[in-house]
Amino acid sequence: EAGVAQSPRYKIIEKRQSVAFWCNPISGHATLYWYQQILGQGPKLLIQFQNNGVVDDSQLPKDRFSAERLKGVDSTLKIQPAKLEDSAVYLCASNPLDGGGTDTQYFGPGTRLTVL
Amino acid sequence: GDSVTQMEGPVTLSEEAFLTINCTYTATGYPSLFWYVQYPGEGLQLLLKATKADDKGSNKGFEATYRKETTSFHLEKGSVQVSDSAVYFCALSDQGGSEKLVFGKGTKLTVNP
Repeated sequence: EAGVAQSPRYKIIEKRQSVAFWCNPISGHATLYWYQQILGQGPKLLIQFQNNGVVDDSQLPKDRFSAERLKGVDSTLKIQPAKLEDSAVYLCASNPLDGGGTDTQYFGPGTRLTVL
Repeated sequence: GDSVTQMEGPVTLSEEAFLTINCTYTATGYPSLFWYVQYPGEGLQLLLKATKADDKGSNKGFEATYRKETTSFHLEKGSVQVSDSAVYFCALSDQGGSEKLVFGKGTKLTVNP
């Protein structure tokens, strides 16, 4: 079974530029998460999708971050404009749940963003 | 809100030493608890989990017991190997319907031969 795919793996941009990250979850997984992991900290949830609807985006800085999940499969996370403090690893995860209950989240390798 | 506190790292051990990484949590309700591991250059992988009080999760020689009375989920291994060198994250699963994970800051473990 293929895992969660993310691209690019690394990205370096200047502040105020825009950037986009792509995630392809495990086939059939209904729920998709984007996390931000700043160096030396644990991952923090940015947004959660169930199919193509947003479940939780309470910690997404909506003035600069946006995300979408087209047709309930792939997802794109965008930052526009980027700030220095956005330098982090952006992790995508998925699980098969389509409702309540707990289950394992499967993580992709992440995209390391450096903002100069 | 929910939170997870892990012991500060880094932790350096010799091969075959005993490992304990402390983890305590604050949560409303009864969260599920997890340990994730991040090997150098790789993504987060689930190491073990426990979904209710007194459950013990185990995998690859690692164990952790869900202790509701002390709100703890300490990770232990009796004899570590060089290949266990990684960053370990304790996490809880929010029970508010989203099942989002709330992570601790991580503990870096280095095992020397």
